[in-house]
Amino acid sequence: QVQLVESGGGVVQPGGSLRLSCTASGFTFSNYGMHWVRQAPGKGLEWVAFISYDGSNKYYADSVKGRFAISRDNSKNTLYLEMNSLRAEDTAVYYCAEGYCSGGNCYPPDYWGQGTLVTVSS
Amino acid sequence: DIQMTQSPSSLSASVGDRVTITCRASQGISNSLAWYQQKPGKVPKLLIYAASTLQSGVPSRFSGSGSGTDFTLTITSLQPEDVATYYCQKYNSAPPLTFGGGTKVEIK
Repeated sequence: QVQLVESGGGVVQPGGSLRLSCTASGFTFSNYGMHWVRQAPGKGLEWVAFISYDGSNKYYADSVKGRFAISRDNSKNTLYLEMNSLRAEDTAVYYCAEGYCSGGNCYPPDYWGQGTLVTVSS
Repeated sequence: DIQMTQSPSSLSASVGDRVTITCRASQGISNSLAWYQQKPGKVPKLLIYAASTLQSGVPSRFSGSGSGTDFTLTITSLQPEDVATYYCQKYNSAPPLTFGGGTKVEIK
């Protein structure tokens, strides 16, 4: 069955950096685009970043552009999110989710990881 | 960027009631609209995609409609297990995903 497992969350000081990982299994990872979506405590869902199946296309929310970088290693079935210059407002649970695209159409994520909590605090 | 606006932000209804949640896009998105259910402490669950297509395994009391800018999620007979926050989401155009603000559904 499809599994997405995030890791790398924790407590970091403002201005600090953190790298999240998402390890995939149960599907052909290299055929799927991937998203990062976050949810601040008690708040709604916010899309963060997307990477295409081969890593050639990347998109970012304005709130993280220039600070976060999405990448992937298809040989390791792993998605990454490098987060720099972290702010208190980046505190959230970060989910990875599959983002399948085919024939020029993309589809809403069906499979999500359980999430990893990032807390930015001094 | 396209904005997604949901209403109401919360509602309280009785078991067996018909519940309707609306979602409006700031620009036309054809039928590239999905609905998710998120229970407290849980991962979002895809209920409906392409505005009206029920995801496999989702109870038939859930339905979606709309196209262009105005969309609706309907629960025909609210059940206790439907207590959750519901999000609309547009997809298939840049930026890749945009969520509505959510609608919290409670039992009266």
